[in-house]
Parts: sequence; C-alpha cells; structure tokens
Amino acid sequence: DADVTQTPRNRITKTGKRIMLECSQTKGHDRMYWYRQDPGLGLRLIYYSFDVKDINKGEISDGYSVSRQAQAKFSLSLESAIPNQTALYFCATSDFRGSYNEQFFGPGTRLTVL
Amino acid sequence: QQQVKQSPQSLIVQKGGISIINCAYENTAFDYFPWYQQFPGKGPALLIAIRPDVSEKKEGRFTISFNKSAKQFSLHIMDSQPGDSATYFCAAGAGGGYQKVTFGTGTKLQVIP
Repeated sequence: DADVTQTPRNRITKTGKRIMLECSQTKGHDRMYWYRQDPGLGLRLIYYSFDVKDINKGEISDGYSVSRQAQAKFSLSLESAIPNQTALYFCATSDFRGSYNEQFFGPGTRLTVL
Repeated sequence: QQQVKQSPQSLIVQKGGISIINCAYENTAFDYFPWYQQFPGKGPALLIAIRPDVSEKKEGRFTISFNKSAKQFSLHIMDSQPGDSATYFCAAGAGGGYQKVTFGTGTKLQVIP
C-alpha cells in the first residue's frame, strides 16, 4: 500500500544534541509537510515543500531545518535540541491534483528532549 | 495568533447521543474547511470537508454546518459510538490549490457506553 512512513517512531535525546527525523512516502505526492503536535495547541506547521526545489517556513520554524532529498523524502532536523521541542512530530503529504488538498499523515515520531 | 479557534477541548458523550464541536475563524480568505480525526497512536486522517458555497455537508453520521457570515463551522456526530472516540481537529485553508491549512487546537471526544 502507498504510505507515509516516519523514522524513528520514538526518540529520547539530550539538550544540545542534533537530531534528524525522516519521512518517506510512496504515494507519489509532490507536497510534503512537517507538523508538531502539543497538547492544547493542536497541529502547528513547521515547514512545507511543494517540490524538491521549493522549501517554505511554516508558523514555528525557529530551531528547525529541513531537507527535501527527493520527491519521496523530506527530513526535519533539530540542530541543537532543547526541552521545549519535546513533542509529537508528524510528516504529511498531499497531491495538488486532490480536490481538497487532503493531507495524508504518517504515524508520528515522539521526541523527548531531556 | 490563533487563526482557527476550536471548542471544547474535551467532550464526553453517551453512546447514541450527539457530539458537537465548534470552530471559528478570522481570516476571510479561508475557503476550505476540513475536519480531521485522530485515533491514539495514529496520525490524523481526513474525515469530511466543506467549501463555503454550501451551508451543510453530510456524510453518514457526520455533518458539517457552516455559517459564513458568523465565520463559524461545526461538526455534528449523530448517534455517537464508542468507536468515534478520538481527537478531532478542524482546519481552514486558503489560496489557489488549497496549498496549506491551519489547524484548530483539537477536541478529545470520549463516547461512553
């Protein structure tokens, strides 16, 4: 089945460490997104990419960077992790041809920064 | 600045009852209003969506009501079932091709037998 996968699923790290979260998709979608989910704050957009050469900041991009290595791969990096980056991170994809720009989410990565 | 406000934060409904979740938006450029459903341990998934040219959309037990003048929209779950227990997010999108959406803060629904 065409899918959105995220690795790792869980990660515990220490303050100051560099962390990379990876996302791969087999849906053939051109658009990819990174969100973080925090209790009471919902889903907030970190970065989004409409194709390999197009990267855009979302509402909370400070402290994060991304890389779109291929149409199917979109990585999120925390250059120097801090405790308030502890959250659930989701990758999502969408297809510009979709009637509602439906976003398809991966299973999430739970990140804990100590 | 929160562009999409969602309430309540949590909701407990008896089996067979009606669950109602409300959202309000400020940006009049929004022209696409989806609802996503998230089960524990899973990513959100699109449940139902509406465009502002209609006031209501129904899919099975799920109905979106839309009030353009009040800039409000709501999700109604009729005959709520324990399997509906999940977190629900409203969202709003704008721009050609509905390029990205802004999510509400989520409502955790628990349907008790």
